Amino acid sequence: ETGVTQTPRHLVMGMTNKKSLKCEQHLGHNAMYWYKQSAKKPLELMFVYSLEERVENNSVPSRFSPECPNSSHLFLHLHTLQPEDSALYLCASKSMRGDYGYTFGSGTRLTVV
Amino acid sequence: TQLLEQSPQFLSIQEGENLTVYCNSSSVFSSLQWYRQEPGEGPVLLVTVVTGGEVKKLKRLTFQFGDARKDSSLHITAAQPGDTGLYLCAGEAFPQAGTALIFGKGTTLSVSS
Repeated sequence: ETGVTQTPRHLVMGMTNKKSLKCEQHLGHNAMYWYKQSAKKPLELMFVYSLEERVENNSVPSRFSPECPNSSHLFLHLHTLQPEDSALYLCASKSMRGDYGYTFGSGTRLTVV
Repeated sequence: TQLLEQSPQFLSIQEGENLTVYCNSSSVFSSLQWYRQEPGEGPVLLVTVVTGGEVKKLKRLTFQFGDARKDSSLHITAAQPGDTGLYLCAGEAFPQAGTALIFGKGTTLSVSS
């Protein structure tokens, strides 16, 4: 248990489904991130939220929609995904007060069929 | 675009051997972080280096940040099977709102007994 909890751990969805990934942290961190990890690629930053405001979109397709209702929770809403979106989706949090380290959750393994 | 080149990509060694993993960039980073990731889990922070020329030790692991803060290395002495995993280097430009970690592709280390 790292302090960042992601649910579900595994998700299989069809291309026409709508689902949401959830991330929760109670570390007092005030920045949260979504990363995508695919085979043979570096972790790709998707979204950054700092003090609950989205700071960076990073040109992510609109079929991915983030939501940060408060500093402890982060969601990633998914709709009409493609098979190439299958990957490990990782949530991370960090304090903006000088501590450099990021704390990652265990990830959601997403398979789009 | 900032890139981190990590090498080697794969490393398979015998227990007791030494190894070094390199992380290089043409960009300057305010900090360089090393993570270790186990299958099915998120990355876990090993160390953060922030000062050019800095050397940090964590048991049998030695981390170094280049003088120009563009590169870093991880040296493992007398590797053990428990060291097996994916090692990731990540750089952060400057710790302000909106910045996030940029990752290398990782080094998959396998240590056999």
